[in-house]
Formats: sequence, structure tokens, C-alpha cells
Amino acid sequence: GDSVTQMEGPVTLSEEAFLTINCTYTATGYPSLFWYVQYPGEGLQLLLKATKADDKGSNKGFEATYRKETTSFHLEKGSVQVSDSAVYFCAPRGGGYNKLIFGAGTRLAVHP
Amino acid sequence: GAGVSQSPSNKVTEKGKDVELRCDPISGHTALYWYRQSLGQGLEFLIYFQGNSAPDKSGLPSDRFSAERTGGSVSTLTIQRTQQEDSAVYLCASSSKGGENTEAFFGQGTRLTVV
Repeated sequence: GDSVTQMEGPVTLSEEAFLTINCTYTATGYPSLFWYVQYPGEGLQLLLKATKADDKGSNKGFEATYRKETTSFHLEKGSVQVSDSAVYFCAPRGGGYNKLIFGAGTRLAVHP
Repeated sequence: GAGVSQSPSNKVTEKGKDVELRCDPISGHTALYWYRQSLGQGLEFLIYFQGNSAPDKSGLPSDRFSAERTGGSVSTLTIQRTQQEDSAVYLCASSSKGGENTEAFFGQGTRLTVV
């Protein structure tokens, strides 16, 4: 079945450091790819998405590129802030009934 | 409403009791999903509704779990004879249609604790 593998957390960085969170997936067909974020005490919200190969999704300084050949959708940010501390979830959507398949999530902690 | 609303936000129940969790999706959203998030785990898919029909129930963990949706709107997830392993945050999401490109909007979840 469809699945997602994310790098394990927690990831601890200093403010202004470069961030990469790896995500690879297996899916039938040609899914759209999403990153969701869960800030402390809040619900899941969409961070960015990409719907076809080589598309780059971007939002709030975060970027991820749909790499069909490597089935990856790595999340990057050039300079993280304390306010980016959250849990990040990679999720392809497609296959049967277009449900989102979530990875385990990666907790990011950014220190001043 | 403006977003997906779930109630109650917290529920503590005794082992063996039945519980009902409610989800009010965004008005007009035809697709509705239930997920479960256990402590330190990712989100586990439970069930998908398109309108009032549930074409994908593959994630329901046992026959103690059931869900329904009425009027193409409100959905209720029922857990019968709750067990301690049912303790988790139950999340509901809706989207305007079931298409793979559309964003799914999540509620704040119901935290269920079985004691």
C-alpha cells in the first residue's frame, strides 16, 4: 500500500540555520504531495503542496520540489526562526479515494 | 462555520463505555475524512465519506468503530466498548471535493482518554 517515510526527529536547530526534512513515498498512480504543519496547541494546517513532477511548492520561506524519479518531496528552509518550531508532516494524496497518507511527522525545535 | 469543528475537544471515558465524536465540516465540502493520532505517532486513516456514503472504511481498526454522515454534512464517529488502546486524538478533515489536488482542512481534534 501507499506509505511515507520521513526523517526521524526531533530536529534541533539554532535560529537562522538551514533546514532540510527528508520525505520519500511509495504510491500508486501519480499523487499530489503536501506538507502539513502542526504548531504547538494548534490543529494541522497546510504548509505547501505540489501537484505534478518538478513543481515547487513554497510558503513562509519553506520550499519542496516534487521529484518523481526519486519519489521524494524534501522540505527546506534557508533560515529558520523560533516560530517555525512545530511538527511537520509529509503526505501524498491520491490512489484510492484520494486520502492523505501521513508520515510519522518530524518535530522541529528552533532555539534562539 | 469558518472551519472544521469537532466536539467535544476532550473526552475522558471509562473502559467499556461507548463514545460519540462529532465533526462539522466546512459548509459545502463533500469529502470528509477521519484520522487518529496516537501519542508520538503519525496520523492513521480511519474512514472516508463522499456525501453520505463511505466508500473507504479500510482504516477502521475493529468492528467496535463505526461512523456515519447525514445530510452530507455532520459526521459522527462511534466507538463501542472503549479500550485503553483507543486513547488518541481523533481528527476530522474535509475538502471541497475528493480530488487529489484540493486542500484538506483539519479540525482541532477530540482528545479521547480511556481510563
